[in-house]
Amino acid sequence: GQNIDQPTEMTATEGAIVQINCTYQTSGFNGLFWYQQHAGEAPTFLSYNVLDGLEEKGRFSSFLSRSKGYSYLLLKELQMKDSASYLCAVRDEGTNAGKSTFGDGTTLTVKP
Amino acid sequence: DTGVSQDPRHKITKRGQNVTFRCDPISEHNRLYWYRQTLGQGPEFLTYFQNEAQLEKSRLLSDRFSAERPKGSFSTLEIQRTEQGDSAMYLCASSRKNYGYTFGSGTRLTVV
Repeated sequence: GQNIDQPTEMTATEGAIVQINCTYQTSGFNGLFWYQQHAGEAPTFLSYNVLDGLEEKGRFSSFLSRSKGYSYLLLKELQMKDSASYLCAVRDEGTNAGKSTFGDGTTLTVKP
Repeated sequence: DTGVSQDPRHKITKRGQNVTFRCDPISEHNRLYWYRQTLGQGPEFLTYFQNEAQLEKSRLLSDRFSAERPKGSFSTLEIQRTEQGDSAMYLCASSRKNYGYTFGSGTRLTVV
């Protein structure tokens, strides 16, 4: 099975940088995803890491260390609209490849 | 790409009644997933299809839950003899191999 840990809540200031951490213990690993979920809406895909290192996409970057079971999502130049829940998800390997297990999310509040 | 569609958006039902939800995935996606989400929690895996084959069903689910994906197109999720604990947002997602999920807007079920 999968066990995924993320902080429950974080607060940051508009224009700043924030890092949201995710640690996982898994019986199999075939990639790690980050999703953004605004209140009352469905999650939307942000990033995907399968190899160690940093993936950058605009203001958002995601890092993965498979040996440490660790990832982070880095948000730069924070905007008010970035206030949302950020979900870390790990995809299974093998015959179940495709299925992902989600953490409970980190609720980010961006303040003026 | 018209996105993932779910119907209905909201459903209120009396305890003990049966309910059925429908999901229309993105046509190019051969993988379809059902998840359930309650407030403050991450999405919880229910079941997963690759084309018309149901590859996995969560052991957390009772026999009251069943899902189908005839002809590998749309999917239905049925809950029989609903209980108050079934109240949640039911999310459908689709994907291609090695890609992130595209979620539908969800069906919010309230059992009274």
